[in-house]
Amino acid sequence: DTAVSQTPKYLVTQMGNDKSIKCEQNLGHDTMYWYKQDSKKFLKIMFSYNNKELIINETVPNRFSPKSPDKAHLNLHINSLELGDSAVYFCASSPWDGYGYTFGSGTRLTVV
Amino acid sequence: DQQVKQNSPSLSVQEGRISILNCDYTNSMFDYFLWYKKYPAEGPTFLISISSIKDKNEDGRFTVFLNKSAKHLSLHIVPSQPGDSAVYFCAASEETSGSRLTFGEGTQLTVNP
Repeated sequence: DTAVSQTPKYLVTQMGNDKSIKCEQNLGHDTMYWYKQDSKKFLKIMFSYNNKELIINETVPNRFSPKSPDKAHLNLHINSLELGDSAVYFCASSPWDGYGYTFGSGTRLTVV
Repeated sequence: DQQVKQNSPSLSVQEGRISILNCDYTNSMFDYFLWYKKYPAEGPTFLISISSIKDKNEDGRFTVFLNKSAKHLSLHIVPSQPGDSAVYFCAASEETSGSRLTFGEGTQLTVNP
């Protein structure tokens, strides 16, 4: 039973399209995150939600919009996809204090 | 402005020997450090952590050392096993930043049989 699951695992799409990545956690964690791993392999935080409330919003283009319908879900919607958005996106969750992150297996987004 | 750096992109060791992975940081406000292990096509998984009030933490074959004055930490794996072959990420957080983790770029460890 996967603790943090994100779908799809692979996503290939054309420039200009709008796409969503879904994430669900069954750990009962209060906080969920989106991280981006770029071509240089750095993992960088994009957003963090605590109990459906946005608490971290890094300098990310406003084409990226996270949505948290409830504590167990944090989806990432991306408008007007660009080539530079190609990366692996990881969802994660943790208890409120941030200790004990659990990551999903990642979504490899390729924009062509 | 990379606050956590892993200067070795790769490391190759023989099975049974010690693997030492290094990590440097620049932000003196970091007070909690973690190592994550990542296999291909999987997410990072937590390995071991250390608080800034300690200089060593051990868990089985894995030991993390922290040198605050040098802003340096290292992960020792003894003995190394082929199944340890993975990318290892160093990460750090500071209490005032809440639950944000700042990651290094990772080191690919290969343990040869």
